[in-house]
This record gives sequence, C-alpha cells and structure tokens, in this order.
Amino acid sequence: DAEITQSPRHKITETGRQVTLACHQTWNHNNMFWYRQDLGHGLRLIHYSYGVQDTNKGEVSDGYSVSRSNTEDLPLTLESAASSQTSVYFCASSYSRADTQYFGPGTRLTVL
Amino acid sequence: AQKITQTQPGMFVQEKEAVTLDCTYDTSDPSYGLFWYKQPSSGEMIFLIYQGSYDQQNATEGRYSLNFQKARKSANLVISASQLGDSAMYFCAMRVLSDYGGATNKLIFGTGTLLAVQP
Repeated sequence: DAEITQSPRHKITETGRQVTLACHQTWNHNNMFWYRQDLGHGLRLIHYSYGVQDTNKGEVSDGYSVSRSNTEDLPLTLESAASSQTSVYFCASSYSRADTQYFGPGTRLTVL
Repeated sequence: AQKITQTQPGMFVQEKEAVTLDCTYDTSDPSYGLFWYKQPSSGEMIFLIYQGSYDQQNATEGRYSLNFQKARKSANLVISASQLGDSAMYFCAMRVLSDYGGATNKLIFGTGTLLAVQP
C-alpha cells in the first residue's frame, strides 16, 4: 500500500549537532511539507516543496533546510540543533495544491 | 492576518451524545479551504473532513459534519453519536492563498481541542 513514512521516530541529540529527519512517500505526490508541533501552537509550517528541485520557506524556517532531489523524499536538516528545536516533526504530502494533505507518523526530536 | 482560533482547550462528552468543536477563522481571501484533523494519543494526524469556501452544502463524512457559517467565519466540527475512540485532540486548519492570490496548499492550524468521551 502507498504510504508516507518518517525516520527516525525518536531522536535525541546534542546542541550544535547536525540532524537530518527523513520523509518518504510512495503516493507519487508532488507536494511535500514539514511541520513542527509544539504545545500551545498547534502545527506550524517549516518548509514545503511543490516538486523536484523546488523548495520554499514556511512560517518557522530559521535553522532548518530541505532539499528535493526526487519525488518521494523531502529530508529536513537542522544545521546546528538548538534546544528550541525540541519538538514533534510531521511530514505531509498531497498530490496537488488543491488536495488534502496526508501526514506521516511524526518524529519526536529532543535536543539536549 | 490569517488565523485559526479554537477557543475550547478541552471538552467532555458522554458516549453516544453529539458534540460540537468550535473553529473560527480570519482571512480576506475569497477562496480558501477548511480542514479538520484528529490526533489520537498515538500521535498520528488523521484527516477527517474538508469544506471549500464556495461549497454550497455543509460537508459530511459518516459521523462527522462541518457546520460552515461563512458570514460568521466559523467552521465547527460536529461529531454525532460519540464513541470512546473519538477521544483525541482535534485540529482545525485553513488552506491559504499565496501573496499573489495563487493556490499554495499551505495550512495554518489552530491550537486544538482535546476531546474526552466518557462512558
């Protein structure tokens, strides 16, 4: 079955380290998104992509980067992890800009 | 500024009763979409229902319906005949247009309502 997966599901890292969170979808969706979820804020958009080689900044993009080299994957990189980036990270995808987004299972990241 | 407001941090409902979760939105865009997602304690985000701003009828999906009142800018989720498995966090979200008026599929979320269904 087609799906969207995230790895790792849990990650503990230290301040200053580079961390990459993986997102992989097998729906052949053009659009992919990264959100972070924090108490009191709901979900906030970090970066998004409408297709291969396309990336765009979202509401809370500082300290994060993404790259889209194929349709299936949109890895999220924290260049130098900070304690403020401790959060739950969700990846989502949709076929087009008019379609519903479907979410991955999430990655819980702790930065010590 | 575009914004989603969910004013109920938490709610209780008795099993088999109906419950309404409130959502108000703020946008000046003529075209937008409204979504509800469910997040159970296991953490995944599950799509429930969608309403387009030009849709004439309120959206329904099984026990879920969306009470869309455009003039009031509200998009309340109604769950009929609550079940224990409905206990979860519920998020309202809005799809916004770009600065140039084009489609983006960018979602902004409310802060959620935690629903507890009691037996």
